[in-house]
Amino acid sequence: EAQVTQNPRYLITVTGKKLTVTCSQNMNHEYMSWYRQDPGLGLRQIYYSMNVEVTDKGDVPEGYKVSRKEKRNFPLILESPSPNQTSLYFCASRPTGDYNEQFFGPGTRLTVL
Amino acid sequence: DQQVKQNSPSLSVQEGRISILNCDYTNSMFDYFLWYKKYPAEGPTFLISISSIKDKNEDGRFTVFLNKSAKHLSLHIVPSQPGDSAVYFCAASEGQGGKLIFGQGTELSVKP
Repeated sequence: EAQVTQNPRYLITVTGKKLTVTCSQNMNHEYMSWYRQDPGLGLRQIYYSMNVEVTDKGDVPEGYKVSRKEKRNFPLILESPSPNQTSLYFCASRPTGDYNEQFFGPGTRLTVL
Repeated sequence: DQQVKQNSPSLSVQEGRISILNCDYTNSMFDYFLWYKKYPAEGPTFLISISSIKDKNEDGRFTVFLNKSAKHLSLHIVPSQPGDSAVYFCAASEGQGGKLIFGQGTELSVKP
C-alpha cells in the first residue's frame, strides 16, 4: 500500500530534550516536506526537500533541522524543543514536477512541557 | 503576514445544497492553487487544483473558480453530502519550486 508513515504518532517531552520524528514514504517520491498545524494558523511549511541531499527552508524553519540522506526518509529533528513547538506535525511527499497531489502522513501530535 | 487567507473559520450547510468555500491570496506570483480536505485524526488529502491559466476546474461535485484580478478562489461543492464535513484548506505555490502556502482552513459541516 502506497503510504507516508510517521513515528511516533504521539509524543510528550520536556523542554530541551532532543527528539526526532521520522517520516518514510514507499512511493519513490523525490519531494518531501514537513508542516505544522496550529489552531487559527492552518498548515505552515517547515522544511522541504526536492531530492536526496537537497533541502530548503519553508516558512517556519526556526528551531528545526532536517536531513535527506536517502530518498524514502526525511526525519524532522528538534535539537532543543520549546513549548511553542507543541503542535501537530505532518510529513508529505509527491513526485517532482507533479505539484498536485501531495500525500500526507497521519500526523504526529507533539507536546513540549 | 498571511499570504493565503480563508476568512471563514466555519461553514454550515444543509445536505443537498451548495457549499461555497472562499480563499484570498496576496502574492500575484502564485500560479498554482490547490484544495485539500482533512478529517480529524488524519492527514490532509488532495481534492482539486487549478492553474493560473484557467479560471475554472471541475471534478465531479467539486468545482474550483479562480479570479486572478481579485486574487480570489472558491471551491463549490454541489450537492453537499454529510461525508463532505471536514476542514478544507486552500494552498498556493509559485512556479515549480517546493514552497506551498496554506490558508487557515474552513471547517465545513453538512447537516442531514
